[in-house]
Amino acid sequence: EIVLTQSPATLSVSPGERVTLSCRASQSFSSNLAWYQQKPGQAPRLLINRASTRATGIPARFSGSGSGTEFTLTISSLQSEDFAVYYCQQYNDWPYTFGQGTKLEIK
Amino acid sequence: QVQLQESGPGLVQPSETLSLTCTVSGYSISSGDYWGWIRQPPGKGLEWIGNIYHDGNTYDNPSLKSRVTISVDTSNNQFSLKLGSVTAADTAVYYCARFTSSGWSEYWGQGTLVTVSS
Repeated sequence: EIVLTQSPATLSVSPGERVTLSCRASQSFSSNLAWYQQKPGQAPRLLINRASTRATGIPARFSGSGSGTEFTLTISSLQSEDFAVYYCQQYNDWPYTFGQGTKLEIK
Repeated sequence: QVQLQESGPGLVQPSETLSLTCTVSGYSISSGDYWGWIRQPPGKGLEWIGNIYHDGNTYDNPSLKSRVTISVDTSNNQFSLKLGSVTAADTAVYYCARFTSSGWSEYWGQGTLVTVSS
């Protein structure tokens, strides 16, 4: 199984800042990676698929990159509604796996 | 607009079988894509449970040690999850979701909390 390790576990940031979240895979694969945002009491929301393609309706401040074992999600200028938990998910191989999440909190 | 809604008991006795159904509206299950289940223990991360294709082919997580059965009912546009021999560790919010044939999920149900307790 492909293990995804996200870092950091928690990130304290201020609105307007640029942040980069990391997702490292235990095995190399091309671009079969998605990013999701989850707010308390809500289902996850798809942000990025194919490592770098924004999902429908996702603002341009969200961008994804990477391949191999290193993937990143960047938020160019944090808005108040972006404080949430972010998960990466690989769909390169069964079983699908998720990272353990990175929580963005307000500094 | 695709919508998914989980339903089933919120409390299950230890060693019994957890049963949930996901009702899909706005899209026909028979049209394709994968239909899956994900769970999230309280305060923890996401765990993929398994997927089913509209033709009945299934893929599930080996970590659940063959306790999982996923089935599809195209006539009612529903799919279901059964998880056997549950313990307290199976207490979680259970989500159903539509996965593209590539593997990501854009449509999720709101989730339903299932507690395993006597």
